[in-house]
Amino acid sequence: DAGVIQSPRHEVTEMGQEVTLRCKPISGHNSLFWYRQTMMRGLELLIYFNNNVPIDDSGMPEDRFSAKMPNASFSTLKIQPSEPRDSAVYFCASSARILSAFFGQGTRLTVV
Amino acid sequence: EDKVVQSPLSLVVHEGDTVTLNCSYEVTNFRSLLWYKQEKKAPTFLFMLTSSGIEKKSGRLSSILDKKELFSILNITATQTGDSAVYLCATQGGSEKLVFGKGTKLTVNP
Repeated sequence: DAGVIQSPRHEVTEMGQEVTLRCKPISGHNSLFWYRQTMMRGLELLIYFNNNVPIDDSGMPEDRFSAKMPNASFSTLKIQPSEPRDSAVYFCASSARILSAFFGQGTRLTVV
Repeated sequence: EDKVVQSPLSLVVHEGDTVTLNCSYEVTNFRSLLWYKQEKKAPTFLFMLTSSGIEKKSGRLSSILDKKELFSILNITATQTGDSAVYLCATQGGSEKLVFGKGTKLTVNP
């Protein structure tokens, strides 16, 4: 298995634009997590899914953020409209019920 | 709300020193505690602990969990410069929610 795959690896966009981050979890994993990492706040859990269903989205900063998991092999995190304070590294991780979570390589987002 | 607190926030040591990193937690329906190492990229998995008092070891790294006192420690003996990283502690609760602490930044100087 190639592990958790995220795309793009880097994204630079202008304030106000829509940004879509993508994640393909490890096959067979039933939980998927989206995290945001900054120097100030560390790794913050934004939302997580279990069996494709969103379980807890209390970490989503505001209505500009949305996440979907249409099937077991794909998830998206969308920011619309983007703002400079959204600049961070966004990680996706997946886990199976009795296993540890494995992380993708992250998407470094810069909003100018 | 689930909470994970790590200490110290940062630590600078010399090669060969032994270090102990701390993690305390409050989580609903505790299932497991995990340690990760993060260098420049994504966190990589080190240990998963589910039972009290059973030490997990991997080379110079070891970890133990105390479910009564709600904490875990990560020990690194004979530190090397390659151990320099941020070490992250996370807990997984009954709903499989995975919550991380802010990490301990370890710097090992030659």
